[in-house]
Amino acid sequence: AQRVTQPEKLLSVFKGAPVELKCNYSYSGSPELFWYVQYSRQRLQLLLRHISRESIKGFTADLNKGETSFHLKKPFAQEEDSAMYYCALSGRDSSYKLIFGSGTRLLVRP
Amino acid sequence: DAGVTQSPTHLIKTRGQQVTLRCSPKSGHDTVSWYQQALGQGPQFIFQYYEEEERQRGNFPDRFSGHQFPNYSSELNVNALLLGDSALYLCASSPTRNTGELFFGEGSRLTVL
Repeated sequence: AQRVTQPEKLLSVFKGAPVELKCNYSYSGSPELFWYVQYSRQRLQLLLRHISRESIKGFTADLNKGETSFHLKKPFAQEEDSAMYYCALSGRDSSYKLIFGSGTRLLVRP
Repeated sequence: DAGVTQSPTHLIKTRGQQVTLRCSPKSGHDTVSWYQQALGQGPQFIFQYYEEEERQRGNFPDRFSGHQFPNYSSELNVNALLLGDSALYLCASSPTRNTGELFFGEGSRLTVL
């Protein structure tokens, strides 16, 4: 079964602390992984995708096929990082329907 | 460019009624997907439209149907509404079918009483 699991509903850290948002997936084919973010009163938007291998707003995510994980990391959290984060996957062998996790709310305290 | 626009933003219906939600994609995008987001959950794929045809469908009953117009705008129709259909309905557009980079609208919040 195709599934994305985000085990934490809420992650609270202090400004300047490291952040790791966990994402595990289950997919039988060749997946493409994404992180989407929704800031307060804004629409859902793409943060990064694993094939780009980019760092966006200081965030990085590495696809670990052995552990079937795609954790989102940032070494020093900022208050403006507070948002809802969704991990999503899609199969590269078909039209892109995204399967989303249930999301993790990141709260960065001053 | 206003990006993806959806209407209405909020609506209330009663069980058994029918509802139509509308979406205009971002300029230059030809593919529209619809997602249902229940409270506290991530978005769940309903279907995708490309070239005015439904190209892929998620695990939703036939009560959920859609349409895409020649200008790429789209409608989502839900018949025989159930209480469980209460959710935020998100429209997302993309420049092609084969990309996971979606541009989302702000959603239409449907409440079924």
